[in-house]
Amino acid sequence: AQSVAQPEDQVNVAEGNPLTVKCTYSVSGNPYLFWYVQYPNRGLQFLLKYITGDNLVKGSYGFEAEFNKSQTSFHLKKPSALVSDSALYFCAVRDDSNYQLIWGAGTKLIIKP
Amino acid sequence: EAQVTQNPRYLITVTGKKLTVTCSQNMNHEYMSWYRQDPGLGLRQIYYSMNVEVTDKGDVPEGYKVSRKEKRNFPLILESPSPNQTSLYFCASSPWERATEAFFGQGTRLTVV
Repeated sequence: AQSVAQPEDQVNVAEGNPLTVKCTYSVSGNPYLFWYVQYPNRGLQFLLKYITGDNLVKGSYGFEAEFNKSQTSFHLKKPSALVSDSALYFCAVRDDSNYQLIWGAGTKLIIKP
Repeated sequence: EAQVTQNPRYLITVTGKKLTVTCSQNMNHEYMSWYRQDPGLGLRQIYYSMNVEVTDKGDVPEGYKVSRKEKRNFPLILESPSPNQTSLYFCASSPWERATEAFFGQGTRLTVV
């Protein structure tokens, strides 16, 4: 069955430290992987995506994600966290067979000054 | 400006009173969908539409209806709302390409009492 897992409900990071938000997936076929961010009282915004090619994908606001096929993971990273990065982050994968997005449950990222 | 517009943003209603949440996009996207977001459950798809007059059920369609008479509009209809439909609802649209990101509306917070 197709699925996406975000194993951490919440991640706490001190400002200036590197951050990682984890995502693993299970789909048949080629995965098209996405990260979205949701700020309070806002809709989801696209951060970055992996389609093919380089395993390290760069996106908006200084975020990047590393695709690891053997570990079926697509972890979101940032070298130096900002307080303004505090938000809810969602990982998603598009099923190659029916184009539907499969969503993780979300990870709340809290950056402390 | 490219955008997905939902109305209303906030709605409090009583059990059984029919309501419609509108969604409109100005990007000529073929694909549109509705999600509900509940704490701890992430995003769950209610219905989606691949083009005009083509709609299909998502993961949690019970108690909802949709229509797609025009490309730009995709209203969500609750014929007889119940308290368990209290949630945050999002409309999204994207081109009919599997590797393209989705654009989300600002969300509609619905409370059914």
